[in-house]
Amino acid sequence: GQQVMQIPQYQHVQEGEDFTTYCNSSTTLSNIQWYKQRPGGHPVFLIQLVKSGEVKKQKRLTFQFGEAKKNSSLHITATQTTDVGTYFCAGGGGIQGAQKLVFGQGTRLTINP
Amino acid sequence: KAGVTQTPRYLIKTRGQQVTLSCSPISGHRSVSWYQQTPGQGLQFLFEYFSETQRNKGNFPGRFSGRQFSNSRSEMNVSTLELGDSALYLCASSVFVPNTEAFFGQGTRLTVV
Repeated sequence: GQQVMQIPQYQHVQEGEDFTTYCNSSTTLSNIQWYKQRPGGHPVFLIQLVKSGEVKKQKRLTFQFGEAKKNSSLHITATQTTDVGTYFCAGGGGIQGAQKLVFGQGTRLTINP
Repeated sequence: KAGVTQTPRYLIKTRGQQVTLSCSPISGHRSVSWYQQTPGQGLQFLFEYFSETQRNKGNFPGRFSGRQFSNSRSEMNVSTLELGDSALYLCASSVFVPNTEAFFGQGTRLTVV
């Protein structure tokens, strides 16, 4: 079945450093979503990418969807302590896979202030 | 607009018992998905319901079941609980399909002793 791999599993940075997490799917995706889960919280939707090669920005966060629609990345510039949490990518399949999201394992980000 | 509501928030059960968890989606959302989250396995898809019909199912044993009511509220049931069922169970609602933005509830933390 469809698998979504996410790396790294953990990342510890100094406040102000950049952070990137990568997501790779075993199959072509119709879209990819990114979620953030704060410690003790629940996943919260960040963004959805649909088009091949799409790049979207939200303030210090930059999201990319690969040309083949099988990989994606999230880059945070100049991290702040509020960025702490686990970032998940979630792949949406085609019509047949519309009824489920396949989540990556997540990247847990910790920040040294 | 009220968010996704899951009850109860915390539950402690004994091995061999059964448990029912409840999820009330956002008003107007007809798709409800369930996920199991554990530290080692990340977010694992359980099943998805739409208009009282299960449209997709993950790779979980038959002890895990669910249903959806005409008002879109959903329940999941786990019978013959095992220690390994201890996890955070998350419910997510979407307008039509999870292949778009999913809104998660706070989750039910189940501990099996």
